[in-house]
Amino acid sequence: DTEVTQTPKHLVMGMTNKKSLKCEQHMGHRAMYWYKQKAKKPPELMFVYSYEKLSINESVPSRFSPECPNSSLLNLHLHALQPEDSALYLCASSQGRGSGNTIYFGEGSWLTVV
Amino acid sequence: AQSVTQLDSQVPVFEEAPVELRCNYSSSVSVYLFWYVQYPNQGLQLLLKYLSGSTLVESINGFEAEFNKSQTSFHLRKPSVHISDTAEYFCGRSGNTPLVFGKGTRLSVIA
Repeated sequence: DTEVTQTPKHLVMGMTNKKSLKCEQHMGHRAMYWYKQKAKKPPELMFVYSYEKLSINESVPSRFSPECPNSSLLNLHLHALQPEDSALYLCASSQGRGSGNTIYFGEGSWLTVV
Repeated sequence: AQSVTQLDSQVPVFEEAPVELRCNYSSSVSVYLFWYVQYPNQGLQLLLKYLSGSTLVESINGFEAEFNKSQTSFHLRKPSVHISDTAEYFCGRSGNTPLVFGKGTRLSVIA
């Protein structure tokens, strides 16, 4: 079972709102990721968690705040976003953080900031 | 910085014709290569990957890719495409850094 589930599938939020995106995997993977994908562009890495600790932050603005409550869950807290943050947010996981590990993606959460 | 170049942004092809989607990567000591497919309004699905060993790798739906170290390429091929293959295809690499993608190639299969 190679499944990463993300909720919600669609989210519309105002620039003053606080919301969260959630991600869950039950494959026993110890690395989890957030990617951002704008229309007609490739996914771009935002954060990497390894063994529930943040290991990579690709210079993401602080209005995006990741959280890894346990090895199966990954959240992305959103606050004071801008319209240009509208995108597809993809969660992913892999068995380990090593480069040869296959990364499995969820279906994504479509975020619209108004 | 490690990079991936997908030379074609769009590839239109008739149904049952062969197709090749090109991918080149920047050389480094260790490299792992991947092809992912993204259908409309969906996430990315792994098609195939090269980690080591045989340079020809295959997927279950008829795609194959060949790792060519001398040409730093990992082109994706299928001998006969179907309408259902219409999608965005991303070549990715990892090595000393996490997975990064090329800009993607939009494969459009024409009936």
